[in-house]
Amino acid sequence: QVQLVESGGGAVQPGRSLRLSCAASGFTFSSYAMDWVRQAPGKGLEWVAVISYDGNNKYYADSVKGRFTISRDNSKNTLYLQMNSLRGEDTAVYYCARDVARGHGDAVDYWGQGTLVTVSS
Amino acid sequence: DIQMTQSPSSLSASVGDRVTITCQASQDISNNLNWYQQKPGKAPNLLIYDASNLETGVPSRFSGSGSGTDFTFTISSLQPEDIATYYCQHYDNLLFTFGPGTKVDIK
Repeated sequence: QVQLVESGGGAVQPGRSLRLSCAASGFTFSSYAMDWVRQAPGKGLEWVAVISYDGNNKYYADSVKGRFTISRDNSKNTLYLQMNSLRGEDTAVYYCARDVARGHGDAVDYWGQGTLVTVSS
Repeated sequence: DIQMTQSPSSLSASVGDRVTITCQASQDISNNLNWYQQKPGKAPNLLIYDASNLETGVPSRFSGSGSGTDFTFTISSLQPEDIATYYCQHYDNLLFTFGPGTKVDIK
């Protein structure tokens, strides 16, 4: 079955960096676009970034553009999120999510369990 | 950038009630809209895609409608297991925008 397992979260000081990983299994990873979506404590969902199936196209939310980089290694079935210049408002649970075609657009059909990133001095 | 709003932000209803949530886009998004359910402590779950299409395996008491800027999500008969926060989500060429969510609980 489809599994997405995030790792790399933790506590970090403002201005520092962190790299999240998402290990995918149970499907052909290289065939799917993948997303990072985050959720601050007690708040709603915020889409962070997406990468196309082949890694050639990447898009970011304005709130993280220039600070975060999404990447993937299809040989390792792994998705990454490099987070630099972290701020307090980046504190959230970060979900890895599989993008799937639905109708004439896209949706997320599988999510990881999430990994918590806490940015605090 | 397109902004998504939802109303109400929360509601309480009785088991068996009809529940309606609205989602509004700041500009015409055709029917490029999905709905998700997120139960406490869990990842979200896709319920509706393209504004009105029920995802496979989702109970038929859930439905969606709308096009353009105004969308509606309905639970025809609220069940205890429907306690959750519901999010609309606009999609545009791989980019997603979520609404702020509507929390539904039992009265």
